[in-house]
Amino acid sequence: AQTVTQSQPEMSVQEAETVTLSCTYDTSESDYYLFWYKQPPSRQMILVIRQEAYKQQNATENRFSVNFQKAAKSFSLKISDSQLGDAAMYFCAYRSADGAQKLVFGQGTRLTINP
Amino acid sequence: DGGITQSPKYLFRKEGQNVTLSCEQNLNHDAMYWYRQDPGQGLRLIYYSQIVNDFQKGDIAEGYSVSREKKESFPLTVTSAQKNPTAFYLCASSMWGGSTEAFFGQGTRLTVV
Repeated sequence: AQTVTQSQPEMSVQEAETVTLSCTYDTSESDYYLFWYKQPPSRQMILVIRQEAYKQQNATENRFSVNFQKAAKSFSLKISDSQLGDAAMYFCAYRSADGAQKLVFGQGTRLTINP
Repeated sequence: DGGITQSPKYLFRKEGQNVTLSCEQNLNHDAMYWYRQDPGQGLRLIYYSQIVNDFQKGDIAEGYSVSREKKESFPLTVTSAQKNPTAFYLCASSMWGGSTEAFFGQGTRLTVV
C-alpha cells in the first residue's frame, strides 16, 4: 500500500522569505501523480501544484515550486516570497496512475507566516 | 457553477444512531472519495468509487457505508458501529485517469452528543 509522510507538523517563516515543506512517499509503482494541497482556516482544500512522475522537470506555479526526486521518493514544496495568505495546512498527496487510483494524503504541515 | 456540495455543514448525532452525510457533484466526474480528518492525522480515506454501482473500501472503512446509485451522488452513512465518529468529513471528486486534481466539498463537521 502507498503511504505518504510529512515529517514537519509545523513550520514558520518570515513574510517575504522562502520556506520548504518536506514530503516522502512509499510506492512500488513507476507511474503516479503527486500533489500539494492547501487548507486555509476555511477548511476548503485548494490545489497548489501537481507533478507527474514520468516528468523529470520540476513543476512550478508562480511562487510555488517542487523538488521531485523520484529515486529518493521525495516531493518537497518550496514557497518563495511568503505572503500572509499562505498561512494554512499543507498536505502532500499521492495517486496511482493505474488500477484503483486511490488518493492518499500525508499528515499535513501547519505553516505560519510571521509579519 | 460547477462544484461539490456537502450537506449539512454541521451535524449532531446521538450515540447509537446512524447518520447520512450528503455529497453531490455537477462536474461530471467519474471518481468520488470520502475522507475523515482528525487533528494531527491528515486525511484518511474511508471509501472511494470509480463508477456508478461500484465502490472500494479505503483505509478506515469500518463503521461506515456508502452507495453510488447516481454518478452525481456519493452519500456516506456513519453507522452506530463507528466507535469514534466525531470528526470533519470531506468529500472529493475527480476525473478518472490523468493528472487532474481532486475537487473538494466544504466538509461536514459531525459531533456525537
